[in-house]
Amino acid sequence: GAVVSQHPSWVICKSGTSVKIECRSLDFQATTMFWYRQFPKQSLMLMATSNEGSKATYEQGVEKDKFLINHASLTLSTLTVTSAHPEDSSFYICSASLGPANSPLHFGNGTRLTVT
Amino acid sequence: KQEVTQIPAALSVPEGENLVLNCSFTDSAIYNLQWFRQDPGKGLTSLLLIQSSQREQTSGRLNASLDKSSGRSTLYIAASQPGDSATYLCAVTDSWGKLQFGAGTQVVVTP
Repeated sequence: GAVVSQHPSWVICKSGTSVKIECRSLDFQATTMFWYRQFPKQSLMLMATSNEGSKATYEQGVEKDKFLINHASLTLSTLTVTSAHPEDSSFYICSASLGPANSPLHFGNGTRLTVT
Repeated sequence: KQEVTQIPAALSVPEGENLVLNCSFTDSAIYNLQWFRQDPGKGLTSLLLIQSSQREQTSGRLNASLDKSSGRSTLYIAASQPGDSATYLCAVTDSWGKLQFGAGTQVVVTP
């Protein structure tokens, strides 16, 4: 079945530094990738939608200059948390779609970010 | 704005009992509805996907129903096992492929 690989699975960084998270579709081409954030005991909240070769679409309240998304190829999307602060500590999950809205989404295993 | 609600928020049952998890959504204009399982600190595993034109889907001990007009879905897990302990999330897909998640139901199955 389709597999989405997310890396790293966990990262600890100091406040003020930047962290890059990668999301790869391993056996299919993902025209659309989604990035979610999940705080403890809460559900996933969509942060942004990225389409290969175009700018990401951010959800209301998500700072595009802080959460940089690059979808340079059909198999790779990256999320960079710039100038991270402790309140950015969260669980970040990506998902990938083949394109049509009725296609199932495939999720990565998530990245636990802790900013100290 | 679509809102997805899951009831109950938490559920504890003895092994062998059937589980019934509820999901409701406010906007019936959905493409599909998915049920996911999430283990602590892990990503999501898709369990069942029901297209908007379907009424139910079954996979092994799992059965999910969908009543789009009333904005409801129910996930049934038969003969629960301790390995079924996890958080179960439902999510609806809009026409752009965006998922709107419920807050989840945390399930504990005791031996």
